[in-house]
Amino acid sequence: QQKVQQSPESLTVSEGAMASLNCTFSDGTSNNFRWYRQHSAKGLEVLVSIFSDGEKEEGRFTAHLNRANLHVSLHIREPQPSDSAVYLCAVRANSAGNKLTFGIGTRVLVRP
Amino acid sequence: EAAVTQSPRSKVAVTGGKVTLSCHQTNNHDYMYWYRQDTGHGLRLIHYSYVADSTEKGDIPDGYKASRPSQENFSLILELASLSQTAVYFCASSDALGAQDTQYFGPGTRLLVL
Repeated sequence: QQKVQQSPESLTVSEGAMASLNCTFSDGTSNNFRWYRQHSAKGLEVLVSIFSDGEKEEGRFTAHLNRANLHVSLHIREPQPSDSAVYLCAVRANSAGNKLTFGIGTRVLVRP
Repeated sequence: EAAVTQSPRSKVAVTGGKVTLSCHQTNNHDYMYWYRQDTGHGLRLIHYSYVADSTEKGDIPDGYKASRPSQENFSLILELASLSQTAVYFCASSDALGAQDTQYFGPGTRLLVL
């Protein structure tokens, strides 16, 4: 069964500094990776989707995927206080019937 | 962008009572999903549906039923609510279950079972 683990559990960064989040997965057939942002008491907002090794940029959010290392990361460029939220990694694998498996999340606090 | 709404946004229920959570999407998506979110766990899939009048079990279906009366509407039913079902419930929809489809989420329903 797919296991998705995120690190760190929480992260505090200063406004304007780069924030980096990590996600590891266990199923080598995984083919679809998404980063969601969840503001307190709100739904999930998709930030970036990536399907092949390398880099995918969406505005200030960049995902890096290395399937050989079972690792996908998210980098937030010039984070702002409004980026303070929980960031969730979601992974889909063929062996899981294409269903999404979510990590527990990384809580990010951006200080002015 | 997908529009998924949920009602109610929060609910307090009594143990043993029946609870119905509703979800509505306006984007003509075929797939709809129900997840629950608990502290210390990622979102976990309860039920999903890919066509009206049909539902499928997800990873944690026990204690839950689902109903898809139309393409737009998907309900989650707790026939006998239990304390362990206190959680935040999210509905999502997507165009397909293909490798590159995106699931769009509603705002969530916070359920407290006493």
